Amino acid sequence: EAGVAQSPRYKIIEKRQSVAFWCNPISGHATLYWYQQILGQGPKLLIQFQNNGVVDDSQLPKDRFSAERLKGVDSTLKIQPAKLEDSAVYLCASRLTDTQYFGPGTRLTVL
Amino acid sequence: DAKTTQPPSMDCAEGRAANLPCNHSTISGNEYVYWYRQIHSQGPQYIIHGLKNNETNEMASLIITEDRKSSTLILPHATLRDTAVYYCIASNAGGTSYGKLTFGQGTILTVHP
Repeated sequence: EAGVAQSPRYKIIEKRQSVAFWCNPISGHATLYWYQQILGQGPKLLIQFQNNGVVDDSQLPKDRFSAERLKGVDSTLKIQPAKLEDSAVYLCASRLTDTQYFGPGTRLTVL
Repeated sequence: DAKTTQPPSMDCAEGRAANLPCNHSTISGNEYVYWYRQIHSQGPQYIIHGLKNNETNEMASLIITEDRKSSTLILPHATLRDTAVYYCIASNAGGTSYGKLTFGQGTILTVHP
């Protein structure tokens, strides 16, 4: 069974630029999550989708972050404009029943 | 979700059992105990989870105390590849928070040759 796919794996941008990350969950998994992991910390949930609807986006900085999952499968997370403090690993996870499975993450560096 | 407390770091000799403790004294009756680990530069990897009974799979064993206020993850024969950050998480088994994971700092396990 293929795992959660994410791209790109690495991205370097300058502050105030925009960036987008893509996630393809495990086939059939209705629930999808985006996490932010700052160096030295555990992952922090940004947003949770159930199919194409948002379940929880309480921790998403909505002035600059947006996410969508239009057809209930793939998802995109966007940052516009990026700040220095957005440097982190962005992890995507998906869930069918009671266990989340994580992708490898995208490491973002904002200069 | 209940808060969990783990030691910041532990060491283990290769081939020996690694016993990682976790305190979750405020866990509620419908919260599962989940364990994930994160090897350097990878996403978190699911290990095991349980509610009340002890659980075992091909990776590890999970021992939950009878009062459910603490648990221990056991890696029976640790290898160098088990060096990672191990996260213990209490997660709601129902409602709108179903399956939600709140990560703490975890325990850095270092396996030595």
